[in-house]
Amino acid sequence: AQTVTQSQPEMSVQEAETVTLSCTYDTSESDYYLFWYKQPPSRQMILVIRQEAYKQQNATENRFSVNFQKAAKSFSLKISDSQLGDAAMYFCARSRTYKYIFGTGTRLKVLA
Amino acid sequence: SQTIHQWPATLVQPVGSPLSLECTVEGTSNPNLYWYRQAAGRGLQLLFYSVGIGQISSEVPQNLSASRPQDRQFILSSKKLLLSDSGFYLCAWSVRTSGRETQYFGPGTRLLVL
Repeated sequence: AQTVTQSQPEMSVQEAETVTLSCTYDTSESDYYLFWYKQPPSRQMILVIRQEAYKQQNATENRFSVNFQKAAKSFSLKISDSQLGDAAMYFCARSRTYKYIFGTGTRLKVLA
Repeated sequence: SQTIHQWPATLVQPVGSPLSLECTVEGTSNPNLYWYRQAAGRGLQLLFYSVGIGQISSEVPQNLSASRPQDRQFILSSKKLLLSDSGFYLCAWSVRTSGRETQYFGPGTRLLVL
């Protein structure tokens, strides 16, 4: 089955600390993209970070970075120096041709 | 820069009434367009995608249909709404190349069917 699994329904982190959100996926393709999207209370989906499967180097965007383990089919998101504005649902997604497969999401709470 | 618009933002409709949700994209040409539905507390389910005018692919059998009358316009419709059609509907676009590119989402429409 072509699935994306987020095993942590909810996570909490203290402000200024670091948190890692987990994602595993299944695919038989060799060329695909992986994404993390943030969905704040407004519910608009905002792209956080993108990783091309053919690239071995882990993607980074300011305080956000990923740990991409292609053989293990793992794609975790690390948020450093967490801020109150990081509180949201986070969705992992994998691309197929013209289609995305989304995980069920992880709700991140940031504690002041 | 590219922008994506959806309207209405919120809609409350009675069971059995018709539906029309509209999505338009500005600042790009020949985009791939997508309709997703998100039930409360759940992930996103792809409903339809389109790679060109008049070209619609349906992912799941349902009470909904989609049309693309213009290059940057994508419409989600129903002739008769069901209670189960309630949810949050998101439109998205991507550059039309290999189909693996980043999808950018609109602000969404909250639909409540009573």
